Amino acid sequence: EPEVTQTPSHQVTQMGQEVILRCVPISNHLYFYWYRQILGQKVEFLVSFYNNEISEKSEIFDDQFSVERPDGSNFTLKIRSTKLEDSAMYFCASSETSGSDTQYFGPGTRLTVL
Amino acid sequence: AQKVTQAQTEISVVEKEDVTLDCVYETRDTTYYLFWYKQPPSGELVFLIRRNSFDEQNEISGRYSWNFQKSTSSFNFTITASQVVDSAVYFCALSDSWGKLQFGAGTQVVVTP
Repeated sequence: EPEVTQTPSHQVTQMGQEVILRCVPISNHLYFYWYRQILGQKVEFLVSFYNNEISEKSEIFDDQFSVERPDGSNFTLKIRSTKLEDSAMYFCASSETSGSDTQYFGPGTRLTVL
Repeated sequence: AQKVTQAQTEISVVEKEDVTLDCVYETRDTTYYLFWYKQPPSGELVFLIRRNSFDEQNEISGRYSWNFQKSTSSFNFTITASQVVDSAVYFCALSDSWGKLQFGAGTQVVVTP
């Protein structure tokens, strides 16, 4: 069964460093998303992406964040200068046909900022 | 603005008991979509069920069933004959036509043998 994959599973970085989180959505899916979950809290929407541009972004997704689909398979989230409060689990998701379709999530990348 | 409320923070049951998880939502949209996701201790988010706002028919899928009532803005989820493997955090979520998922705070379900 097709699934969303994410790498790395765990990333440790120093405050102020740049990180890139990688995702491979399900191959025939057209809509892509990033969410984050701070430990013990609910899952929060960051950004949605369709047709090579951002469809919607939350207040969390400030200028430090960017997304990119560098090739036909990968979808990346870049945090330019990490802060301690960026420590969280980051989930990538994809859906097939429209924004209202079911989103399937990857296993997540745990980001720890020291 | 959309909002999802899961008032139950934790539910503990003994194996084979039924578990009902409550979810209340708020939205101004006339078309919207409701979901339940499961997050086991391993951390991934697993899709369970999806319902459209224009379809209030309640269904059963295996040990899972749901009760969608627009009149009370509720989308409750029941696990019948719970098993230890059902121990997880369960999230109710709401989306509009654009796909942004608004999650509730989650309900921790603990099933003991």
